[in-house]
Amino acid sequence: QVQLQQWGAGLLKPSETLSLTCAVYGGSLSGYFWTWIRQSPGKGLEWVGEISHTGITTCNPSLKSRVTISVDTSKNQFSLRLKSVTAADTAVYFCATYLSRQLGFAPWGQGTPVIVSS
Amino acid sequence: SYVLSQSPSVSAAPGQTARITCEGNNIGSQSVHWYQQKPGQAPVLVVYDDSDRPSGIPERFSGSSSGNTATLTITRVEAEDEADYYCQVWDSGINWVFGGGTKVTVL
Repeated sequence: QVQLQQWGAGLLKPSETLSLTCAVYGGSLSGYFWTWIRQSPGKGLEWVGEISHTGITTCNPSLKSRVTISVDTSKNQFSLRLKSVTAADTAVYFCATYLSRQLGFAPWGQGTPVIVSS
Repeated sequence: SYVLSQSPSVSAAPGQTARITCEGNNIGSQSVHWYQQKPGQAPVLVVYDDSDRPSGIPERFSGSSSGNTATLTITRVEAEDEADYYCQVWDSGINWVFGGGTKVTVL
């Protein structure tokens, strides 16, 4: 069964670049979509973006200009970079995967809290 | 952009039924997913494609969708069901959209 484990820097200054990685265990990247979601403190879930197994990326229009999502098939990992962060980007970031849009996101990574503060 | 609306809170006594609604324009024509999130944990998929349950999810969780409303129903509510619940759809544009979440309190 696929499991996701994620990591990355948890404290950033404004204007820096957020960088998170999610490792895939128990399966390969092939055939799936790999996605990022975030949750601001005390708030709901917000989809950040995703990358397909073929390398096609789709991002939330509100973040599109700042988001880069990539895969490293040799390491069975995928990554999120969000540039020019502000305090509004403070959130817990989750990675997740899905096979098709009819099947939902499962499983999810454990979440990485990111704080943006000067 | 597409908007999903959920009531902020629902409460139910143990053994009773909790119904969580998710409203969106013509949501009945889309595939709706539901997630359960407990404090400090990642969300867990409890219903996908309107009404299907992933392996390991108790039968007391069920879903339906028609018209402008999708519903997650928890029958025979247990204390462990206390959590936040989120609905989700894929917008016909280029977006995954989540509802604002509903906090379920077990009395």
